Amino acid sequence: DAGITQSPRHKVTETGTPVTLRCHQTENHRYMYWYRQDPGHGLRLIHYSYGVKDTDKGEVSDGYSVSRSKTEDFLLTLESATSSQTSVYFCAISESLNAEPQHFGDGTRLSIL
Amino acid sequence: KNEVEQSPQNLTAQEGEFITINCSYSVGISALHWLQQHPGGGIVSLFMLSSGKKKHGRLIATINIQEKHSSLHITASHPRDSAVYICAATQGAQKLVFGQGTRLTINP
Repeated sequence: DAGITQSPRHKVTETGTPVTLRCHQTENHRYMYWYRQDPGHGLRLIHYSYGVKDTDKGEVSDGYSVSRSKTEDFLLTLESATSSQTSVYFCAISESLNAEPQHFGDGTRLSIL
Repeated sequence: KNEVEQSPQNLTAQEGEFITINCSYSVGISALHWLQQHPGGGIVSLFMLSSGKKKHGRLIATINIQEKHSSLHITASHPRDSAVYICAATQGAQKLVFGQGTRLTINP
């Protein structure tokens, strides 16, 4: 299995608080992604990174920011969490563009009360 | 309308049955992925294909580029195959567009 670790695995917090989710990889893959998974929507891309300090928005990026200061770490931040951001968040990695499948982390279940 | 549509949304079958899950997409793609998500939540990539057919054990994935359609088949299904199967299409710069998933339940 690809070495991807998401932390925390579960978090409950209150509306308006900042939240940071971490994705750590040991595969030295160039591309890293953050998705959210909600009933009725499937997986949707929030942000992705194509290298250190290189990031871009996905289809549901509003309310989220990301940072990648090292190859192995990709952080997702909710500056002021809202109840609509309650979801399961998945990190994924891939080595190259369009040449192989993405490998997923185990997910973080985030509840905003 | 979603760019990637899966059918059926839910499928229940008896152990041993031949299973087919369908995926249709409406835009040009460079690759089509099949993923498996078990009840524990982890997501595993099963296949990535851009043409023809791929086989791994009891799982077979096919794609018809002209018809914009892919199928995932499971032969001799087993209760451990119970999971959500997700189709995803790669568009452009590594953007994956996901279907909503098919929940498969195999009863013993």
